[in-house]
Amino acid sequence: AQSVTQLGSHVSVSEGALVLLRCNYSSSVPPYLFWYVQYPNQGLQLLLKYTSAATLVKGINGFEAEFKKSETSFHLTKPSAHMSDAAEYFCAVTLSGGYNKLIFGAGTRLAVHP
Amino acid sequence: DAGVIQSPRHEVTEMGQEVTLRCKPISGHNSLFWYRQTMMRGLELLIYFNNNVPIDDSGMPEDRFSAKMPNASFSTLKIQPSEPRDSAVYFCASTLGSASGQSGTGELFFGEGSRLTVL
Repeated sequence: AQSVTQLGSHVSVSEGALVLLRCNYSSSVPPYLFWYVQYPNQGLQLLLKYTSAATLVKGINGFEAEFKKSETSFHLTKPSAHMSDAAEYFCAVTLSGGYNKLIFGAGTRLAVHP
Repeated sequence: DAGVIQSPRHEVTEMGQEVTLRCKPISGHNSLFWYRQTMMRGLELLIYFNNNVPIDDSGMPEDRFSAKMPNASFSTLKIQPSEPRDSAVYFCASTLGSASGQSGTGELFFGEGSRLTVL
């Protein structure tokens, strides 16, 4: 069975600091992996996705993630946090070629302080 | 372009009442999903449709929940009778893909959600 684990339900960083949100996956077959962001009182929005092409994936708003099979990880990073990055971030997994049943992690709430 | 439109945005009702949540997917999308978000359980997939046909409803919690998609531009999620434990934010999402999920971009477009409170 597939699953994702997000380490840390809350992460707090200073504006301008590195953002690192951790995601580990479990899948018996090559997975497709996604990061979504949810701003307050809004739906989820896709940040980036890994679908077995390049292992380093660049997304919107300066975020990127690296697929590491040996570590079963897909951590999300941004070199310099901005106040507008404050939101909840969700890692999600699905079977290769099967987009219809995304399994979401529990989410990590990112706070950015001046 | 209009995104996924959900109504109502907020609903407060009493236990035992019927609740109907509505969703209009993005025009041209043929797959529609209903998710539920709670603090305790996170995001759960309830059901998804492809070309208006329910493909997988294994996430529907119990018989009190039902979902329909009478046409490509409209879907409903009904709870009857509602219970306090149904309180959650219900999201609708749409995308373009096949029933098996073997094709498509993998990007789900979410509505802003319907916040349901059952007293």
